[in-house]
Amino acid sequence: GENVEQHPSTLSVQEGDSAVIKCTYSDSASNYFPWYKQELGKGPQLIIDIRSNVGEKKDQRIAVTLNKTAKHFSLHITETQPEDSAVYFCAAINGGRGGSNYKLTFGKGTLLTVNP
Amino acid sequence: EAGVTQFPSHSVIEKGQTVTLRCDPISGHDNLYWYRRVMGKEIKFLLHFVKESKQDESGMPNNRFLAERTGGTYSTLKVQPAELEDSGVYFCASSQDPGPYEQYFGPGTRLTVT
Repeated sequence: GENVEQHPSTLSVQEGDSAVIKCTYSDSASNYFPWYKQELGKGPQLIIDIRSNVGEKKDQRIAVTLNKTAKHFSLHITETQPEDSAVYFCAAINGGRGGSNYKLTFGKGTLLTVNP
Repeated sequence: EAGVTQFPSHSVIEKGQTVTLRCDPISGHDNLYWYRRVMGKEIKFLLHFVKESKQDESGMPNNRFLAERTGGTYSTLKVQPAELEDSGVYFCASSQDPGPYEQYFGPGTRLTVT
């Protein structure tokens, strides 16, 4: 089955700096890669996602890149703010026929701390 | 539009007792999922409903866990009898058809078994 590795496990940056979180996956048939942000006491919130037919996607200060050949994808946050502090999870899914279909496989999470 | 809701937010029970968790998905979402995060590890899939039918139960740990989705609306997850290793946060998520994309999560139920 699918295995997702996420690095780093913790990341501390100064306000205004950029933050990058990286994930690798094992199933070459995986075709959908969401990123979730989890704040204390809340559930994971979908913040951005990318499908396998796209190499990069941006939404204001966040962006995700995908390298299908190398089987890795990354989350980039620019101009970080204290409210970006949270745990971030990457995930992968094979939504196609013959795959795991609807099951998200998650990385272990990255605790991002943005220092004012 | 209301998001995914879960009840209770926190439950503390003794080993051997029974607990029932409830999830109300986003209105109109046929797909409903249960996930669990144990002891700071990764979030793991438990099962997936399409309307009232169980589509995938591959993540259910054992037969002490029973999930139902009556009438294709809300879902319940019962743990009977609870064991210490069942402690963790149980998340429910939902998505529209077709496809598993854009799964929206609820706030979770933190289960503590003592």
